[in-house]
Amino acid sequence: GAGVSQSPSNKVTEKGKDVELRCDPISGHTALYWYRQRLGQGLEFLIYFQGNSAPDKSGLPSDRFSAERTGESVSTLTIQRTQQEDSAVYLCASSLDPDTEAFFGQGTRLTVV
Amino acid sequence: GENVEQHPSTLSVQEGDSAVIKCTYSDSASNYFPWYKQELGKGPQLIIDIRSNVGEKKDQRIAVTLNKTAKHFSLHITETQPEDSAVYFCAASRVTGGGNKLTFGTGTQLKVEL
Repeated sequence: GAGVSQSPSNKVTEKGKDVELRCDPISGHTALYWYRQRLGQGLEFLIYFQGNSAPDKSGLPSDRFSAERTGESVSTLTIQRTQQEDSAVYLCASSLDPDTEAFFGQGTRLTVV
Repeated sequence: GENVEQHPSTLSVQEGDSAVIKCTYSDSASNYFPWYKQELGKGPQLIIDIRSNVGEKKDQRIAVTLNKTAKHFSLHITETQPEDSAVYFCAASRVTGGGNKLTFGTGTQLKVEL
């Protein structure tokens, strides 16, 4: 069956531009997570959605970062006024419910030049 | 908050040998411990997980052990094969019905040599 799908796979943007990253979770999964993975490092939690609500946004690094989820399905992570330190792989994961295992997409590699 | 430390950062074994990766965590309330395998250019893939009500779990060549008292857990891979070469991440979370927010270790690059 279809797994978690993320688009684009790669994104190169100029410093100061805004970017939108998309995540399509596994159908029927109510929980959705965004993580960031800097080069050679572990994953850092950004935000958690249950349905269309985000009860935990504690990992968003600044107010330039925002995310939304609609239809209890697709989620978009938006980074405004991108900076070079935003360069990383952004990973989305979904799980059937809040307490079960999370399945990851392949990520979006963001490069800010 | 939770802090997860993972060792070693790199591990090289001969094909057929065993590999062991160790993690420690700081939050005694953590109760869920997954392991992910990440191949180059791909997202992390869940390979095994364990909850705090058990001490060991096995799935074919892979096993995970958990010591709640010492707050550490380990991944054991037996009879390693070249396709086991990847980066392995441990993680910990406190699952209480309010989401499964994972704190990850920094990863172990496993290389299985022929």
